[in-house]
Amino acid sequence: GQQLNQSPQSMFIQEGEDVSMNCTSSSIFNTWLWYKQDPGEGPVLLIALYKAGELTSNGRLTAQFGITRKDSFLNISASIPSDVGIYFCAGRKDNAGNMLTFGGGTRLMVKP
Amino acid sequence: NAGVMQNPRHLVRRRGQEARLRCSPMKGHSHVYWYRQLPEEGLKFMVYLQKENIIDESGMPKERFSAEFPKEGPSILRIQQVVRGDSAAYFCASSPTVLNTEAFFGQGTRLTVV
Repeated sequence: GQQLNQSPQSMFIQEGEDVSMNCTSSSIFNTWLWYKQDPGEGPVLLIALYKAGELTSNGRLTAQFGITRKDSFLNISASIPSDVGIYFCAGRKDNAGNMLTFGGGTRLMVKP
Repeated sequence: NAGVMQNPRHLVRRRGQEARLRCSPMKGHSHVYWYRQLPEEGLKFMVYLQKENIIDESGMPKERFSAEFPKEGPSILRIQQVVRGDSAAYFCASSPTVLNTEAFFGQGTRLTVV
């Protein structure tokens, strides 16, 4: 079945550092989404990308929708302790409602 | 406006029992999606429902699993004769009538089969 390959699987960084994670797919998606999941909670949407090449920011977060529609990256600048959590990319096909394909997640740990 | 409500938050079942997971979508949302998350993995799509209709169940195991979203009341994900491999977090998401509007996720039900 479809798969999104997300990397890295985990990151352990110092507070204040920038973070970058990415997602690649063997098939095309028409929407890319980035979520954050805290322990014991559901995913919370961070950024949604709808057009190939689109670059979108949300505070310290920046994400881009790859030109080929097969990849996306998420950057977090000047990380803070509350950025700790698991970040997931998700892709959606056209006319697929909200049936999403998720990546395996990037676990982010921030050292104060 | 309350978010997506799932209950119970935690459910323990013995092998062979039935598990019933409930999801009340956000007010005004008529599309419901169920996902399963195994430990240390991403979410996997199971089923997409609108009121009284199953739209897509391509991610649902063929046996023991069923889902419904009745005209009145919450959506129910039902797992019959649970096995240890069913232990996972089950998330429900809902979106409004207009398609391609992002869905909101509930807090999930953590099912443990002992």
